[in-house]
Amino acid sequence: QKEVEQDPGPLSVPEGAIVSLNCTYSNSAFQYFMWYRQYSRKGPELLMYTYSSGNKEDGRFTAQVDKSSKYISLFIRDSQPSDSATYLCAMTPGGSQGNLIFGKGTKLSVKP
Amino acid sequence: EPEVTQTPSHQVTQMGQEVILRCVPISNHLYFYWYRQILGQKVEFLVSFYNNEISEKSEIFDDQFSVERPDGSNFTLKIRSTKLEDSAMYFCASRRDGGTDTQYFGPGTRLTVL
Repeated sequence: QKEVEQDPGPLSVPEGAIVSLNCTYSNSAFQYFMWYRQYSRKGPELLMYTYSSGNKEDGRFTAQVDKSSKYISLFIRDSQPSDSATYLCAMTPGGSQGNLIFGKGTKLSVKP
Repeated sequence: EPEVTQTPSHQVTQMGQEVILRCVPISNHLYFYWYRQILGQKVEFLVSFYNNEISEKSEIFDDQFSVERPDGSNFTLKIRSTKLEDSAMYFCASRRDGGTDTQYFGPGTRLTVL
């Protein structure tokens, strides 16, 4: 079983839709969970950061972590064409090193 | 807003040649990382660096790779004898300190090995 699984999509939605992106993982030691947005041939840009289980909201974005199910989600409300990108989940056990384990990324397209 | 920078943006080299990829992390950050992303695949961890030494490395980071912080600002990744399969995007990242702080990525260097 791969450490982090993410449906690669592609996912196409109309402008204004609610988008749900998900990752599952197998390593129960993961404590820190992140969502990055990556435009084509660019570096990952941090969107959301969550520690342990729970929800976190930032504008149109909501991140959820369910450690009991080893499942994390990112919701995008009122999606915009500018949200079109690849969304990467990433996680780490934490500690002083903190190297990230990434999902493969979900490619999202928001149509005007 | 401070950001991680990387040079060059694109490097083309012949198989067997040495390349050095350069990064300038955010100035008050203490932890530095290299990741790579082969086209269409996951971003993969290569190495972490703290206090002028390697903290952790993946199985990808074999003897052909090395990292260095030659001065107070630059962080480099050297690939000694490039192979075709080294063709990828290489991302540098930095983190302020341990604990809960998170990593900020540079724009990447696209390495093409011919």
